[in-house]
Amino acid sequence: DTAVSQTPKYLVTQMGNDKSIKCEQNLGHDTMYWYKQDSKKFLKIMFSYNNKELIINETVPNRFSPKSPDKAHLNLHINSLELGDSAVYFCASSQMGRGGYNEQFFGPGTRLTVL
Amino acid sequence: AQSVAQPEDQVNVAEGNPLTVKCTYSVSGNPYLFWYVQYPNRGLQFLLKYITGDNLVKGSYGFEAEFNKSQTSFHLKKPSALVSDSALYFCAVRSNTGFQKLVFGTGTRLLVSP
Repeated sequence: DTAVSQTPKYLVTQMGNDKSIKCEQNLGHDTMYWYKQDSKKFLKIMFSYNNKELIINETVPNRFSPKSPDKAHLNLHINSLELGDSAVYFCASSQMGRGGYNEQFFGPGTRLTVL
Repeated sequence: AQSVAQPEDQVNVAEGNPLTVKCTYSVSGNPYLFWYVQYPNRGLQFLLKYITGDNLVKGSYGFEAEFNKSQTSFHLKKPSALVSDSALYFCAVRSNTGFQKLVFGTGTRLLVSP
């Protein structure tokens, strides 16, 4: 019954590789997000999709490409991985609503380690 | 641009004592304010939010927060701390104008000692 799920939970890979992280939500929400949490626990948004449309695209290297095949899924593909990409990546979802004031529900996170 | 400040990296409190985790914000327009908690190796969990109305907001696990517009603060409080409250707490804000991203503070680690 997990509301927001991510796979894999752990990802260890070599520099230069390409990897993907998948996210699915079963809450019926129309908006999904990707966040990056660094080693100091600082949390920063990367992307947001509303009804499969990209609405937030922060200053993120273009090696990161989100893809939303439908409202329930938001995947993150990362090309040419670098050491600095090592972090925990969180997926989240919310219902946008009229005022956008609804809380976000977070997945358990994917810990990416680039060697 | 919106921002959140959590001035304390860590708050220590004894079990049974009241706790306060501080948060101040800056936003254009009226704020939507949120508190989330993160337990080790877990995702963030929503605790409570302020949108409008009563300045005192009650949330999960006995937590509450008070919105103070003049001081631009939204401090998290609990009358009696539990050891199980030990976790990382994040304050977050977004503006109510248009679609804006949610901006998180740097987090405050709460340690409740037995």
